[in-house]
Amino acid sequence: KQEVTQIPAALSVPEGENLVLNCSFTDSAIYNLQWFRQDPGKGLTSLLLIQSSQREQTSGRLNASLDKSSGRSTLYIAASQPGDSATYLCAVTGGGNKLTFGTGTQLKVEL
Amino acid sequence: SAVISQKPSRDICQRGTSLTIQCQVDSQVTMMFWYRQQPGQSLTLIATANQGSEATYESGFVIDKFPISRPNLTFSTLTVSNMSPEDSSIYLCSVERGQGARGYGYTFGSGTRLTVV
Repeated sequence: KQEVTQIPAALSVPEGENLVLNCSFTDSAIYNLQWFRQDPGKGLTSLLLIQSSQREQTSGRLNASLDKSSGRSTLYIAASQPGDSATYLCAVTGGGNKLTFGTGTQLKVEL
Repeated sequence: SAVISQKPSRDICQRGTSLTIQCQVDSQVTMMFWYRQQPGQSLTLIATANQGSEATYESGFVIDKFPISRPNLTFSTLTVSNMSPEDSSIYLCSVERGQGARGYGYTFGSGTRLTVV
C-alpha cells in the first residue's frame, strides 16, 4: 500500500527566505507526482505536476524535483511571500490510477 | 484543464439531517472522484463516480451513508446522510485533467466545509 509522508509538518519562515518542502513515498511505481496548495477551509489548487519520466518542473518561483528511484520529491519556493502561507500537499498517482496524498506541510511566511 | 464549480461552499447542519453537495464540470469527463478531509488530516477517497453505473466505494465508505449520483458526464452529487458531528469535514470533488488521457494529474473543486452540530 502506497504511503506518502511530508516533512516538516509545519514551517514558519521570514519573508524573502528560500525554502524546501519534502515529500517521500514508499512505492516507486507511480505515474506522476502532483504538488497542491490548500488555503484554510478551501479546495486544492494544483501547482506542479511531474511525470514519472521527468526530474523536475518549474513554475515561477516554484521548482519541484522528483527522484522516483529513491521515492522522494522536493518543492522549492524562492523568495517566499506572506501570500505563500498555506498548506502544501503532495500526491502520487499509482496503480489503478489512485491518488494518494501526503500528510501536508503547513507553511507560514511572516512579515 | 477542466474547471469545477462546487456548492455549497460551506454549511452548518443539524445532526440526523442530510446534505447534498453538487459538482459541475465545464467539460465532459468519464470519472469524478469524491474525497473527504477530516480536520487536520489529509484527503481520503470516498468513491469514484462513473456516468451510467453505480459508484465504486473505497473501504470504510458505504452507499447508504454517502449516496452518489452521476446523471451525465458533467455533473455529480454526493449526499452525506444521517449526519453526526463526526461527519464534520471538507468534502471535495475531483476530475482527471487531460480529457481522459492518463497521467495529466487532477483538478479539484473549491470544497464544501461541513459542520454538524
